[in-house]
Amino acid sequence: DIQMTQSPSSLSASVGDRVTITCQASQDIVNYLNWYQQKPGKAPKLLIYDASNLQAGVPSRFSGSGSGTDFTFTISSLQPEDFATYYCQQYDTLLSFGGGTKVEF
Amino acid sequence: EVQLVESGGALVQPGGSLRLSCAASGFTFSSHWMHWVRQAPGKGLVWVSRSNYDGSSTSYADSVKGRFTISRDNAKNTLYLEMNSLRVEDTAVYYCGRVSQELELLSPIDYWGQGTLVTVSS
Repeated sequence: DIQMTQSPSSLSASVGDRVTITCQASQDIVNYLNWYQQKPGKAPKLLIYDASNLQAGVPSRFSGSGSGTDFTFTISSLQPEDFATYYCQQYDTLLSFGGGTKVEF
Repeated sequence: EVQLVESGGALVQPGGSLRLSCAASGFTFSSHWMHWVRQAPGKGLVWVSRSNYDGSSTSYADSVKGRFTISRDNAKNTLYLEMNSLRVEDTAVYYCGRVSQELELLSPIDYWGQGTLVTVSS
C-alpha cells in the first residue's frame, strides 16, 4: 500500500497569507496526485489534479507542484472562504489519502 | 448536472449488515469507474472500494475485504455497497465518488455525493 504523509496537520494563518502544504508518497506515484478541500459536513471538492492542473472553476490562487514522491500545494493569498481541511490523494495504486491539513484562523 | 445521492445509512448493531446505495444522474453512469470513501467522525478520508464501469473488476481496502461487496446496476444508474459483519470501527460517513474520465481508471474523482452516515453501536 502507498502511504501518504501530509504536513503540517494544522496551521494558523490570516487572510492574505501564503499557505504551503506538503505531501510525500512512500513510493513513486509519477504525478497521480490530487488535492481536495473539505469543509465541515460537506463532501470533498477537487482543486488540483495530476499534481499541478487546476480543476475547472477553481480560483487561480490555488496551485500544486511536484512529481515522483514529493508534492506541494500552495494558496497564494488566503481568502476567508479558504479556511477548511485539505487532503492530498494518490491514485497510482488504488487510492490513499494524506492525513489532512486543517487551515485555521 | 452531475448528481450522486447516497442513501441507506443507519444505526446498526455490531455484526449486523447494511446496504448503501448511490444514485447517479446527469452523466453516462455505465462509462465511469466509481469509488466508495469513508470518513469516521472527526477523522480523515479513507478509501474503501472501487468498481470499474461494468462491475467486472472490483477492489477493496484490507480493512473491509471479505466483509464488504461493491456492485452496480447500470440499468438503474446505481452503485451499491453491501456491508456485512459490521464493526464499531466501520462507523463513518460513506461517500461515493465518480472517476472523471469515461472508461479510465487513472483519473481523479471529480464528483462526490453528500454522504450517508453509518453508525455501528450496541
